[in-house]
Amino acid sequence: EVQLLESGGGFIQPGGSLRLSCAASGFTFTNYAMTWVRQAPGKGLEWVSAISGGGDHTYYADSVKGRFTISRDTSKNTLFLQMNSLRAEDTAVYFCAKEQEEDWNPFDHWGQGTLVTVSS
Amino acid sequence: DIQMTQSPSTLSASVGDTVAITCRASQNIDTWLAWYQQKPGKAPTLLIYDASTLESGVPSRFSGGGSGTDFTLTISSLQPDDFATYYCQQYTTYYTFGQGTKLEIK
Repeated sequence: EVQLLESGGGFIQPGGSLRLSCAASGFTFTNYAMTWVRQAPGKGLEWVSAISGGGDHTYYADSVKGRFTISRDTSKNTLFLQMNSLRAEDTAVYFCAKEQEEDWNPFDHWGQGTLVTVSS
Repeated sequence: DIQMTQSPSTLSASVGDTVAITCRASQNIDTWLAWYQQKPGKAPTLLIYDASTLESGVPSRFSGGGSGTDFTLTISSLQPDDFATYYCQQYTTYYTFGQGTKLEIK
């Protein structure tokens, strides 16, 4: 059974940094691209970042480019999102998700999400 | 960037009704379109991909169609469990979600 478990969310002041983790199990981690999606309170879904199965290709939404870094540790089957220079508009629930395959595919499994609140 | 526009934003219906949600892409995305269902406080779940392929385990009352720029999610014989928010998503170049359609009980 595929399981994705996010952690690392919390309350942070504007300009601060936070690192989210997503522990994956139940599938061969290196065979699938992974992605982060966020949802601001009461709002819709926004894709944030994606990484290829081997970790050699990364992609970002314009809204986070230059501030967020996605990575993965294949030895620990864990996905990360390093978030720097946080802004109030980054406040959201952050979901990690497994893509069906590589290279732009829908997300067939999602974690439960972790809440990030950016406020002074 | 490809924009996705869903309509309506809110849809009121009764158990047993058949409803349709539409999604329009700002440019041709062939059939690279997915539909998700999300319930309050939960993660989204994949319903349909490649515009019309039902994800494993999804009831057959859900169906999808369309290609190019115009797509439809149809839910037949609505069940109480179907009242939720639905999102379309293009995955041809990067990812973009529609703004969501909240399906509520009339």
